[in-house]
Amino acid sequence: DTGVSQDPRHKITKRGQNVTFRCDPISEHNRLYWYRQTLGQGPEFLTYFQNEAQLEKSRLLSDRFSAERPKGSFSTLEIQHTEQGDSAMYLCASSLGDSSGANVLTFGAGSRLTVL
Amino acid sequence: AQKVTQAQTEISVVEKEDVTLDCVYETRDTTYYLFWYKQPPSGELVFLIRRNSFDEQNEISGRYSWNFQKSTSSFNFTITASQVVDSAVYFCALTIFGNEKLTFGTGTRLTIIP
Repeated sequence: DTGVSQDPRHKITKRGQNVTFRCDPISEHNRLYWYRQTLGQGPEFLTYFQNEAQLEKSRLLSDRFSAERPKGSFSTLEIQHTEQGDSAMYLCASSLGDSSGANVLTFGAGSRLTVL
Repeated sequence: AQKVTQAQTEISVVEKEDVTLDCVYETRDTTYYLFWYKQPPSGELVFLIRRNSFDEQNEISGRYSWNFQKSTSSFNFTITASQVVDSAVYFCALTIFGNEKLTFGTGTRLTIIP
């Protein structure tokens, strides 16, 4: 198992463009999470999936953001009409667990977005 | 709402010294979980420990130890005989029972000087 993979690792785009990030979780993990981390801050929760169902979305996830996890495997996070404030590291994590909240997350290395 | 405070933004110690990273949390829930994660320069957050709110036993794992005190809402992390490889940003995090959302602190950047 190669862990959680994220692609691309770095993305530079111009304001107004759309970007898409991909996350491949650990294969047997049923839960997948997206977090956003800005410089000097801790990760902030965006959304999570149990299998293919998106069960929770943060208020941080504006209408310009959409996440999918078709077939309960990989996930994509798309940002439409990017703004400079979207510049951040987008972290994906996965876990195998229940709904207790005690799940240990395995994180990927992140996708760094820079919006010019 | 939950909150995690890591008041120490940056700490530098000389190699082999002991260092304690502070974490204070806020929650109204009685059942919750506390975590520590390490983020090395590569950027990938690495799980270190999980504690539930009913288990106040301190834990030791090699050079790492954790002190959980509900009376002060603290979950502090001590590294004994620090090594250069311990240099990283360390995050304390909290989640409540039945909730998948982790609330992270702002992290403490630890630099071990050789």
